[in-house]
Amino acid sequence: DTGVSQNPRHKITKRGQNVTFRCDPISEHNRLYWYRQTLGQGPEFLTYFQNEAQLEKSRLLSDRFSAERPKGSFSTLEIQRTEQGDSAMYLCASSLAGQGPEAFFGQGTRLTVV
Amino acid sequence: SQKIEQNSEALNIQEGKTATLTCNYTNYSPAYLQWYRQDPGRGPVFLLLIRENEKEKRKERLKVTFDTTLKQSLFHITASQPADSATYLCALDSNTGNQFYFGTGTSLTVIP
Repeated sequence: DTGVSQNPRHKITKRGQNVTFRCDPISEHNRLYWYRQTLGQGPEFLTYFQNEAQLEKSRLLSDRFSAERPKGSFSTLEIQRTEQGDSAMYLCASSLAGQGPEAFFGQGTRLTVV
Repeated sequence: SQKIEQNSEALNIQEGKTATLTCNYTNYSPAYLQWYRQDPGRGPVFLLLIRENEKEKRKERLKVTFDTTLKQSLFHITASQPADSATYLCALDSNTGNQFYFGTGTSLTVIP
């Protein structure tokens, strides 16, 4: 696999339920980012990991959101007690420190909260 | 943070013409600026990066300029093709270097 993989591609959930998304970055990429994108807008930063350390979090990341990267490889993003306003595309990207800042994005997980 | 403005209107051009997209920012000058392409329902794909000390960068039919005085980048696609139809996003690094700020994107349609 040569790209960033995100699962699931689509998720429909009822308001109040918890959801978890997974991101598998490109092998050996030590930087991992989560972004959220709503229709007609550019991606908005949520959080950044270098290896297993979460080094930066956006104010958008409320206490209902949590992200982990336990072994410095794959990452999960969990949203608890989902709200309709959480409906968006959740994008994961990875890059390798020292090889330029350009990021490689996955196809995203489209979340719909009904 | 950074405020980024891209062409708010969708851009329609005739095949074979040059498309020019604009990215303006208002706050600090970034160390580098990137352009990405995004197709509907898919993640952004990296196209080009230009650093603050570079005026121009080219890759095949793509050209990016960076004017730190005007706080503006221009993205050109020469000899445009219908396959170039997509949304194009510019992204600037943050002052921490740990994230990118994206513009809202410009939708380009190349008409055969």
